[in-house]
Amino acid sequence: AQSVTQPDIHITVSEGASLELRCNYSYGATPYLFWYVQSPGQGLQLLLKYFSGDTLVQGIKGFEAEFKRSQSSFNLRKPSVHWSDAAEYFCAVGHTWQGGKLIFGQGTELSVKP
Amino acid sequence: EPEVTQTPSHQVTQMGQEVILRCVPISNHLYFYWYRQILGQKVEFLVSFYNNEISEKSEIFDDQFSVERPDGSNFTLKIRSTKLEDSAMYFCASRGQGDSNQPQHFGDGTRLSIL
Repeated sequence: AQSVTQPDIHITVSEGASLELRCNYSYGATPYLFWYVQSPGQGLQLLLKYFSGDTLVQGIKGFEAEFKRSQSSFNLRKPSVHWSDAAEYFCAVGHTWQGGKLIFGQGTELSVKP
Repeated sequence: EPEVTQTPSHQVTQMGQEVILRCVPISNHLYFYWYRQILGQKVEFLVSFYNNEISEKSEIFDDQFSVERPDGSNFTLKIRSTKLEDSAMYFCASRGQGDSNQPQHFGDGTRLSIL
């Protein structure tokens, strides 16, 4: 069955430090992969997406993610975290057929220390 | 930038009552979705809608749920007889024409509280 695992429920980093949020997926074919961010009281905002081609994808707000097929991973990174990055981050797999539903991971809550 | 809008932002309803959650997708989008997020849990797919019919639905989307696109702009989710466990944040999403690699754009959600 298709699934997405985000092993870290909550991560705290210092402002200016680097960040890596982990995401592992289970899917029968090459998946469509997405990272979304959710600030309190807000909807889900797309950070970046991977469909094919270059395995390192750039997104908004200075985020990037790397697709590693051998590890079934799509980890999100940022070299220097800002206080405004504090939010909940969701990794998702998109079905490549029918209506293209998204399957989400549990989410990782990011706190940023001053 | 065009966005998905949802109303109301918060809905409080007595158990057993019907509730309708409303969404206005991005105007040129063709695929529409409802998801829900129970407090502290992951975002779960409910239903996808294309060409005026349901294209896929989850196990959660039972006979108590229905969706409708009553006109050219609105997309609604109806829960006929609400239960306590329907309390959640409900998100509407839409995406444009083409392959499912097109990203879905989400609204800010409706928080549904069942008393």
